Amino acid sequence: AQSVTQLGSHVSVSEGALVLLRCNYSSSVPPYLFWYVQYPNQGLQLLLKYTTGATLVKGINGFEAEFKKSETSFHLTKPSAHMSDAAEYFCAVSDGATGANNLFFGTGTRLTVIP
Amino acid sequence: GAGVSQSPSNKVTEKGKDVELRCDPISGHTALYWYRQRLGQGLEFLIYFQGNSAPDKSGLPSDRFSAERTGESVSTLTIQRTQQEDSAVYLCASSLSQGTNEKLFFGSGTQLSVL
Repeated sequence: AQSVTQLGSHVSVSEGALVLLRCNYSSSVPPYLFWYVQYPNQGLQLLLKYTTGATLVKGINGFEAEFKKSETSFHLTKPSAHMSDAAEYFCAVSDGATGANNLFFGTGTRLTVIP
Repeated sequence: GAGVSQSPSNKVTEKGKDVELRCDPISGHTALYWYRQRLGQGLEFLIYFQGNSAPDKSGLPSDRFSAERTGESVSTLTIQRTQQEDSAVYLCASSLSQGTNEKLFFGSGTQLSVL
């Protein structure tokens, strides 16, 4: 079975500061890991995903995440926050062997960027 | 259309009434998913359609919930005898085919409020 824990339902950072959104997963098999973003009044969009290969994954808008098996983590980072990054971010995990109907989402982290 | 379209965007109904939610996937996408997001919780898988195969209904919470899809086009999610705990955002997503490597495209969701 898979599950995801996102630490911090709300995160606030100053514009230009580092963004760090935490995600820890539980999976009995090698996981596929995802970050989705939901901007105000929009649907979910895929930011980035890890399936196999390089553990540091780069996504859109300057975000990246690193798969750390030893820590069962997939934290999302961005060196410098922009006002446009304010959104809800969801981490998700699947077992990598089946389709997205087995995609499990965390409860989300709302990112606020302070000017 | 250019993206996944859901209607209505908001629905308020009285307890005990039936509701029908609609999803128009991206043209050519054979896979279609319904998810539910209750307040403060992660996305919850409901049902999955892939082409002409039998749908995966394993996520439907009760027999009050049903969904149909005609071919590879529109899908409707029906909730009969609505209860207050059905209040949530119902999200539809589509992808080119089954498989976690396929990018999911989400609609903006239907906010259902059961009074």
